[in-house]
Amino acid sequence: DAGVIQSPRHEVTEMGQEVTLRCKPISGHDYLFWYRQTMMRGLELLIYFNNNVPIDDSGMPEDRFSAKMPNASFSTLKIQPSEPRDSAVYFCASSYRDRGSNEQFFGPGTRLTVL
Amino acid sequence: QKEVEQNSGPLSVPEGAIASLNCTYSDRGSQSFFWYRQYSGKSPELIMFIYSNGDKEDGRFTAQLNKASQYVSLLIRDSQPSDSATYLCAVSRDNTNAGKSTFGDGTTLTVKP
Repeated sequence: DAGVIQSPRHEVTEMGQEVTLRCKPISGHDYLFWYRQTMMRGLELLIYFNNNVPIDDSGMPEDRFSAKMPNASFSTLKIQPSEPRDSAVYFCASSYRDRGSNEQFFGPGTRLTVL
Repeated sequence: QKEVEQNSGPLSVPEGAIASLNCTYSDRGSQSFFWYRQYSGKSPELIMFIYSNGDKEDGRFTAQLNKASQYVSLLIRDSQPSDSATYLCAVSRDNTNAGKSTFGDGTTLTVKP
């Protein structure tokens, strides 16, 4: 398997623009997570899905952030409008709950810079 | 208080020494405990997980869990320069919030040749 795939790997945009981050989880995994990592706040869980259904979005910072998972092989995280404080590395991770194991496999991340 | 706290770094050890990384958590319902390693500019990767009290060994790595004290640690024996990375502790309730893990801020380890 190719692992978790994220695109783009780098994104530079201007404040106010819409940003869409994409993720393809590992085939067969039933959980998908979106994280944000910054030096100041560490690794923060934004939202996670189980079988394409959002389970917990309490980590989404504000209404400017939205996430969708239209099918088992694709998810998006959208920021509209973007702000400089959104600059961070965004990771997507997926896992398969098997006998209590919930190891998460992380994608390479998208480094977002909002100018 | 943060849900998951790790000893503040950076931690520096000489090559061949034992590196000890510590983590405490506040949620007594936590059932699963993970250690991830993250190299600079890379994504986290799982190196150890533990569910039961006691020690779990895998090669040079040993995870230790004490649920009564809400404490989990990672020991790295015979530390190598390639072990230099940030180590993230993560905990999960597993059955009730299956799949959701809370991460600590990480401890940066430097192994000096």
